[in-house]
Amino acid sequence: GIQVEQSPPDLILQEGANSTLRCNFSDSVNNLQWFHQNPWGQLINLFYIPSGTKQNGRLSATTVATERYSLLYISSSQTTDSGVYFCAVERSANDYKLSFGAGTTVTVRA
Amino acid sequence: DVKVTQSSRYLVKRTGEKVFLECVQDMDHENMFWYRQDPGLGLRLIYFSYDVKMKEKGDIPEGYSVSREKKERFSLILESASTNQTSMYLCASRHRGNTIYFGEGSWLTVV
Repeated sequence: GIQVEQSPPDLILQEGANSTLRCNFSDSVNNLQWFHQNPWGQLINLFYIPSGTKQNGRLSATTVATERYSLLYISSSQTTDSGVYFCAVERSANDYKLSFGAGTTVTVRA
Repeated sequence: DVKVTQSSRYLVKRTGEKVFLECVQDMDHENMFWYRQDPGLGLRLIYFSYDVKMKEKGDIPEGYSVSREKKERFSLILESASTNQTSMYLCASRHRGNTIYFGEGSWLTVV
């Protein structure tokens, strides 16, 4: 199956700092999503981004499909940004399954 | 907003019990999924259903079965619960090829 690698595994930030999370994948993909899992376990959709760049408030994401990676940018981090960030990919529209990376655990300190 | 509702947030069951985890979505999604999440192992797909009465094994189907009699409902069944099935279970749904939405999760402890 498709391999998804996220880096770094852990990230500690001071409130107000910027950061970049990376997701590498081993094959071409039809679908790529970023999620934030809050401390209560809820997985929240951040971006559906198989290619290109999107922005939503302080968060933005870029996927370079030809080079098989995606980046998630967090700007002016806040304590509420703490949690685990997951990247998930789907190889094709007929694949049905999303393969998840292991996640990046982000801790933002006040 | 899309709503994926899991019937139980926290459950404690005994070894050997039959356990039902229910999931309901309100957006007429064709695809539904059950994942389990364990520390250090990330999210692993147990079963998915691409339409009513259809089901496919995921990566770790052993010890589980599923039922999808109606489009909005996808049930995960542990026929005989074991301690290694203690985990958080996440249900998800989507239109094919589009954004996937997750429920809040069900924390299952088997003692």
